[in-house]
Amino acid sequence: EVQLLESGGGLVQPGGSLRLSCTASGMTFSKNAMSWVRQGPGKGLEWVSTIVAGGDTTYYADSVKGRFTISRDNLKNSLYLQMNSLRAEDTAIYYCTKVAAGTWYYYIDAWGKGTTVTVSS
Amino acid sequence: DIVMTQSPDSLAVSLGERATINCKSSQSLLYSSNNKNYLAWYQQKSGQPPKLLIYWASTRESGVPDRFSGSGSGTDFTLTISSLQAADVAVYYCRQYYGSPPTFGQGTKVEIK
Repeated sequence: EVQLLESGGGLVQPGGSLRLSCTASGMTFSKNAMSWVRQGPGKGLEWVSTIVAGGDTTYYADSVKGRFTISRDNLKNSLYLQMNSLRAEDTAIYYCTKVAAGTWYYYIDAWGKGTTVTVSS
Repeated sequence: DIVMTQSPDSLAVSLGERATINCKSSQSLLYSSNNKNYLAWYQQKSGQPPKLLIYWASTRESGVPDRFSGSGSGTDFTLTISSLQAADVAVYYCRQYYGSPPTFGQGTKVEIK
């Protein structure tokens, strides 16, 4: 069974930074693209970023481009999201998700439980 | 961006009755080279992460009860719960993975009448 465990969330002031981590198990991590998806309080789901299996190509939502950086370490079965210049509208639960293939034009087939990021002064 | 519009926003159905959720995309999700519709459905119960139900518009994920079915092609898609159970109370989302960026519908809340 695939397990995705996020960490690194917390309370941060506007303009601050956080680094989210996700550790994967029960899968061959290096074979799958991975994505971050977020959900604001009482809101729907918003795709944030995707990194392909090899780690050489990344994609970002316009709302986070230039502020967030996705990366992965296939030797450590880990996914990361470096979040800089945080804004109140970035407040959300951030889910680590597994894409069902190595490329990003595929469905998400597994989700972590999420980590909460709150941006507030 | 491809806009995904679900209808209705919420519905209340009696136990054992059929629930139907619609999802309309602003452009076709059918990729002609493989004849696949790049559309998935997810179920999110309160306080939980979403769970994959259906992919390629009509393929049921392993372990998903067969009362859940997906249909449609091109721009119009439907998720049907053939006989609603108490365990099906949740918000349901469609998501397209055809275009960049991938986008979700706004969600449909299903409750028991």
